[in-house]
Amino acid sequence: AQSVTQPDIHITVSEGASLELRCNYSYGATPYLFWYVQSPGQGLQLLLKYFSGDTLVQGIKGFEAEFKRSQSSFNLRKPSVHWSDAAEYFCAVGAAEYGNKLVFGAGTILRVKS
Amino acid sequence: EPEVTQTPSHQVTQMGQEVILRCVPISNHLYFYWYRQILGQKVEFLVSFYNNEISEKSEIFDDQFSVERPDGSNFTLKIRSTKLEDSAMYFCASSDQGSNSPLHFGNGTRLTVT
Repeated sequence: AQSVTQPDIHITVSEGASLELRCNYSYGATPYLFWYVQSPGQGLQLLLKYFSGDTLVQGIKGFEAEFKRSQSSFNLRKPSVHWSDAAEYFCAVGAAEYGNKLVFGAGTILRVKS
Repeated sequence: EPEVTQTPSHQVTQMGQEVILRCVPISNHLYFYWYRQILGQKVEFLVSFYNNEISEKSEIFDDQFSVERPDGSNFTLKIRSTKLEDSAMYFCASSDQGSNSPLHFGNGTRLTVT
């Protein structure tokens, strides 16, 4: 069965520090990979996506993610975190072979300390 | 940028009552979805809808749930007889190419069943 794992429930980083949020997936097909961000009381905003091609993808707000097929990972990174980045981050995976649905990870709550 | 809009933002209902959650997807999108997020849990797929019919549904989407596209702009989720465990945030999403393109989510409707 398809699954997405975000091993860190909470992460706290200092403003200006670098950030890496982990995402691992288990899929029997070539996946499409997404990162979404959710601020409290808000919807899910797409940060970036990977479908094919260059395995390092750039997103909005200075985020990037790298698809590593050998590790079944799609970790999200940002070189310098801003206080406004505090939110919950969700990794999601889809595949044409599994229809139209996305499978979401449990999310990682990012706290930024000043 | 076009948005997915959901109304109401918060709905409180009594157990056993029917509720209809409304969504206006992005106008040129063809694939529509409902997801839900119980407080503190993962975002879960409920149903996908394409070409005026359900294309896929999860085991959560039982006979108490139905979806409809009553006109060219709205996409609704009906829960026939709400249960306490239906309390959750319900997200509508749309995409232009199904699993081959990212989902655009609305801000959600928080349903509270008392």
